[in-house]
Formats: sequence, C-alpha cells, structure tokens
Amino acid sequence: AQSVTQLDSHVSVSEGTPVLLRCNYSSSYSPSLFWYVQHPNKGLQLLLKYTSAATLVKGINGFEAEFKKSETSFHLTKPSAHMSDAAEYFCVVRTSGTYKYIFGTGTRLKVLA
Amino acid sequence: GAVVSQHPSRVICKSGTSVKIECRSLDFQATTMFWYRQFPKQSLMLMATSNEGSKATYEQGVEKDKFLINHASLTLSTLTVTSAHPEDSSFYICSAREDNGETQYFGPGTRLLVL
Repeated sequence: AQSVTQLDSHVSVSEGTPVLLRCNYSSSYSPSLFWYVQHPNKGLQLLLKYTSAATLVKGINGFEAEFKKSETSFHLTKPSAHMSDAAEYFCVVRTSGTYKYIFGTGTRLKVLA
Repeated sequence: GAVVSQHPSRVICKSGTSVKIECRSLDFQATTMFWYRQFPKQSLMLMATSNEGSKATYEQGVEKDKFLINHASLTLSTLTVTSAHPEDSSFYICSAREDNGETQYFGPGTRLLVL
C-alpha cells in the first residue's frame, strides 16, 4: 500500500531564507508524487509533480522537489521564502491502479518578516 | 491551465434541508471527479469518486444516501447533502482529473454551515 508522511506539521522561516518541507513516501512501485499548496479557505493548487521522469522537478513560484528513491523522499524546497508562501502544503501520492490520491497530513508554513 | 470551479462558495442552511454543490471543469473534460471533505486544520478526506455516466464509488464509512453524487456530463459533477445536520458542516472540495492524465485539479471549495 502507498502512503506519505510529512515529517513536520509546522515550519517557520524568515522571509528571504530557504524553505524545506519534508515528505517521505512508501510505495511498492515507482510512485507518482505531487505537492499542492492551500491558502486559507481556498482549494488546492498544484505546485509540482513527479511521474518517473527527471528526479529534480521544478514547479511554480520557485519551488522544486527532488525524488530520492534510496531515501524514499520527495522534499519540497525553495531558495528564498516570500511572505505569500505562508500556507498549508500537502504531499500526495497516487494510489496504484487507481487515480485516487493519498494525502499527507500537511505542513503549515509560516513566514516571518 | 486546467481550471475547476465550485458553486456555491459558501452556503448556510437549516437542519433538515438539502444542499447541492456543483463542480465544473471549465477547460477540459473530466470523466472522473472526486469529492473531499476537510475539517479545520486537517487534511483532505476522500468521500467518493464520481464517474461520468455511472454510479459514484463511495469510500468506506461515507453514506451514499446522504451524500448523493451525480456526474451527468464530462464537465459537471454535483454533490447533494440530503437532510443536512450540523455535523455535516464542513469544507467540501472537489477535484477533476483530466481524461488523458493523472493530475487532479481542485476547485476552490464550498463551506457548508448547517444551523
């Protein structure tokens, strides 16, 4: 069975400093992995996705993630945080054989001025 | 990019009434749509998979007679919360999967408050 674990429920960074949001996955096959962002009272916006092509995936708004099979990780990074990055971030894996998603528990990113 | 809309964005209703929420894929066809429920400060919980032209598939523990899903066209799915009660108050989010891909695109959500 597939699963994702987001290692931090809350992350605080200062504006202009790097962002690291951690996600580990469990899958018996090559997974499809996604990062979504949710701003308060809004739907989810796709940041980026990994679907067995390049292991370093670049997304929108300067975010990127690296798929590391040996570490079963798909951590989300950004070189320099902006105040507008403050939101909830979800790591997601697609289930095998279906198009259903399994969501991580989310990481709330706080950006300090 | 792929856009999904939801209507209404917010609804307040009296206990015992029914509420219909629409989910539309605006610029792509979606044979498959999904309905989620999200409680405050929690992750999304999949309620059901909506399939165009066939019955929805409900997740374990979700009452199909309470949460009626209709997917009558390739761009529209509706969720009707029947005989709503205060415990049904929540944030409901839909998503649509483009037919030739695996990515889900999410609507902006509907906040339901049952008094």
